[in-house]
Amino acid sequence: DTEVTQTPKHLVMGMTNKKSLKCEQHMGHRAMYWYKQKAKKPPELMFVYSYEKLSINESVPSRFSPECPNSSLLNLHLHALQPEDSALYLCASSGRRGTANTEAFFGQGTRLTVV
Amino acid sequence: TQLLEQSPQFLSIQEGENLTVYCNSSSVFSSLQWYRQEPGEGPVLLVTVVTGGEVKKLKRLTFQFGDARKDSSLHITAAQPGDTGLYLCAGARAGNNRKLIWGLGTSLAVNP
Repeated sequence: DTEVTQTPKHLVMGMTNKKSLKCEQHMGHRAMYWYKQKAKKPPELMFVYSYEKLSINESVPSRFSPECPNSSLLNLHLHALQPEDSALYLCASSGRRGTANTEAFFGQGTRLTVV
Repeated sequence: TQLLEQSPQFLSIQEGENLTVYCNSSSVFSSLQWYRQEPGEGPVLLVTVVTGGEVKKLKRLTFQFGDARKDSSLHITAAQPGDTGLYLCAGARAGNNRKLIWGLGTSLAVNP
């Protein structure tokens, strides 16, 4: 199984809503990531979890709250978002044995629209 | 400051043409990766180069890592419409390998 699965694929939410993005991987990877990507731009790192602990927070606003319930799951809780937060949110994992630690495997992303 | 300069940013060519995409930096990377991304999808890893001077081939794609591990190139021979997409390079630096440094990407369109 070489997939990173993200749900939902599309999400439209109002600025007062609370929603969550979910990510799952079963490759035994020890690092999981949230990225934000705008059209035709590279992914921007938001958070990194390493061995289920938050290791990097790229000064992300508190309206984004990550959670890593176990080594296979990663959530991103959203609350009081702004229209400029509309983007493709990508989950990735890395750390497969026998490969460079940084080789990232991405999910298909969640296309988020904030109205 | 963009640590990894990628060029060109946009490229539109005819089927059958060759092209080269460049990633350049003044910093040394312990490894460098190339990804391809199609609209609405996540990036897909194409290759990782680790050793200075290394050349890797993936069918019609040839990847090279500079001798000093500061730059890399991707050459596509006889491009096909299926090669259309956003090509991204990403570098890993020693001691900070959980955080990749990304180039700005090359948006490639191959016209039939």
